[in-house]
Amino acid sequence: QKEVEQDPGPLSVPEGAIVSLNCTYSNSAFQYFMWYRQYSRKGPELLMYTYSSGNKEDGRFTAQVDKSSKYISLFIRDSQPSDSATYLCAMSPSGSARQLTFGSGTQLTVLP
Amino acid sequence: DGGITQSPKYLFRKEGQNVTLSCEQNLNHDAMYWYRQDPGQGLRLIYYSQIVNDFQKGDIAEGYSVSREKKESFPLTVTSAQKNPTAFYLCASSIQGGTGANVLTFGAGSRLTVL
Repeated sequence: QKEVEQDPGPLSVPEGAIVSLNCTYSNSAFQYFMWYRQYSRKGPELLMYTYSSGNKEDGRFTAQVDKSSKYISLFIRDSQPSDSATYLCAMSPSGSARQLTFGSGTQLTVLP
Repeated sequence: DGGITQSPKYLFRKEGQNVTLSCEQNLNHDAMYWYRQDPGQGLRLIYYSQIVNDFQKGDIAEGYSVSREKKESFPLTVTSAQKNPTAFYLCASSIQGGTGANVLTFGAGSRLTVL
């Protein structure tokens, strides 16, 4: 079993929809949680960064961490065609990038 | 603009050949990393370097080599010993220590295809 599981999709939604992307994990030591967005043939870019449990909001994006369930989510409100990308979750037990574990990514398409 | 430059963007190689992928950063980050990305799999760490003239094996270092002679540069050589080298390779960097030390900045990637 992988340490981090992420549904690969593909996921297609109409413009304006609310999108929910999720990752589950098995390592209870994970404390730092990130979401990266990766456009086709590009490198990932950091979208959201959270520490421990709780919610964090940034514009149309909300990251949610439930450590008791070992489950993290990224919500995108009012989705736009420009949100079409692959979304990678990543998590780490410490402040070291060396220990990051990535999910396999969910491919999202927002249809105009 | 600060960032990471990877070259070449696309590379084709015959079996048995070594190839070197370039990675240059102007972010003044101490730490640099090489990842491999394959369909359906998470990013896997090949090598990382926390300081000039020092580097450590990651989870899948076999068949790869690196050097870190300058802070700005961290080239990756894919040797003929790498059994399945066709992949998308990503270089990344981060600050060393402190808040945000686990946040990676990535380059645009290099796609290697072995013919």
